[in-house]
Amino acid sequence: GAVVSQHPSWVICKSGTSVKIECRSLDFQATTMFWYRQFPKQSLMLMATSNEGSKATYEQGVEKDKFLINHASLTLSTLTVTSAHPEDSSFYICSARVPGQGYEQYFGPGTRLTVT
Amino acid sequence: GEDVEQSLFLSVREGDSSVINCTYTDSSSTYLYWYKQEPGAGLQLLTYIFSNMDMKQDQRLTVLLNKKDKHLSLRIADTQTGDSAIYFCARGETSYDKVIFGPGTSLSVIP
Repeated sequence: GAVVSQHPSWVICKSGTSVKIECRSLDFQATTMFWYRQFPKQSLMLMATSNEGSKATYEQGVEKDKFLINHASLTLSTLTVTSAHPEDSSFYICSARVPGQGYEQYFGPGTRLTVT
Repeated sequence: GEDVEQSLFLSVREGDSSVINCTYTDSSSTYLYWYKQEPGAGLQLLTYIFSNMDMKQDQRLTVLLNKKDKHLSLRIADTQTGDSAIYFCARGETSYDKVIFGPGTSLSVIP
């Protein structure tokens, strides 16, 4: 089946620094990937849609200059949290669709970000 | 996910049936999904239903859709302790569109 990986699985960083999270589709090419944020015991909030070779589409209220998304290849999308603050601490999850199987999104295992 | 609503908690005894309910507000929802998230794990698609269907059954899972009332339910027959997880209802307008999630229902199965 389709596998999506994320790296790192968890990261701790100091306030004011930037952190990059990678999302990879391991056995398929993903023209579109999605980035979600999940707070403890809460639902997933869609942050942005990442399109290979073009700019990401951000949801309302998500700061595009703070959460930089780059989808440079068909198997890799990255999310960079710039100038991180403690309130950015969260669980970040990416997903991807397999071309031709549009109805199912395959989710990565998530990245736990803690900003101290 | 404010336009997708779910009850937050459900507790059932092992062997009983579980019914998780979901309501949504956007009538343009074409695809309706149920995802399962186990502790510390990613999301797993359990099943989905198209808006032109009323029911879909897959082994122990039965999905019922009342499009008029915008109400979706997931029934798990013979609930096991391994079914304890958070279940998310979600909707999408097209197969390639973004998916909007509900708040999730935490299912606890009592042995």
